[in-house]
Amino acid sequence: AQSVTQPDIHITVSEGASLELRCNYSYGATPYLFWYVQSPGQGLQLLLKYFSGDTLVQGIKGFEAEFKRSQSSFNLRKPSVHWSDAAEYFCAVGANTGNQFYFGTGTSLTVIP
Amino acid sequence: DAGITQSPRYKITETGRQVTLMCHQTWSHSYMFWYRQDLGHGLRLIYYSAAADITDKGEVPDGYVVSRSKTENFPLTLESATRSQTSVYFCASSDTLNTEAFFGQGTRLTVV
Repeated sequence: AQSVTQPDIHITVSEGASLELRCNYSYGATPYLFWYVQSPGQGLQLLLKYFSGDTLVQGIKGFEAEFKRSQSSFNLRKPSVHWSDAAEYFCAVGANTGNQFYFGTGTSLTVIP
Repeated sequence: DAGITQSPRYKITETGRQVTLMCHQTWSHSYMFWYRQDLGHGLRLIYYSAAADITDKGEVPDGYVVSRSKTENFPLTLESATRSQTSVYFCASSDTLNTEAFFGQGTRLTVV
C-alpha cells in the first residue's frame, strides 16, 4: 500500500541554520513527489515537486529536495532558515494506482532567533 | 476570481444537524478531494472524485456524503454532525495526479 512517513513531528532550528526535513514513501511505481507548506490558518502551498529527471529539485523560498530512489526518500532542505519559514510542512506522493494523493502527517518547524 | 474557494470559512453547528461545506474551483480540474486536518493526524482523505459523477471513499468517509454533479463543485455533507467531526476541512483540486493539488483556505467546523 502507498504511504508517506515524516518521522519528525516537530523540529526547532535557529534562524540562519540549515534545515533538513525527512520524508520516506512507499510506492510500487515511480512516484510523483511533492512538498507543501502550511502557514497558520492557511491552506497548503506547493513548495516543489518531483516527477522525473534530475533528482535534485529546486522550489520556491529557497527550498530544495533530493529524490533518492534507493532510500525511498525525498528530503527537504534549506541552507539558511528565516523566521518566516516557521510553518507546518507536508510531504505527499501522487499515486495513479490509488487515484489520489497520500500525505505524511507533517513536520512542524519552529525557528528561534 | 480564478482558484479554489471554500465556504463557509467558519461554521458552528449542533450535534445531529446536517451541514454542507462547499467547494468550488474555476480551472475545470478533473480531480477534487476533501481532507480533514486534525492535530496528530495530518491530512486524512475523506472522499475524492476523479471526474463529474465519479466519487470514491478515502480513508475516513463514515458520516460524510459527497456529490459531483458539475466538474467545478464538490460539496461535502455531514448528514448528522457529531463532535468527532470538529475539524478543519480542506478541499483540493488537481488536473492530474502528476501535477500538484491546489488547496482551498479551509473551513473550520465546530460541532457543539
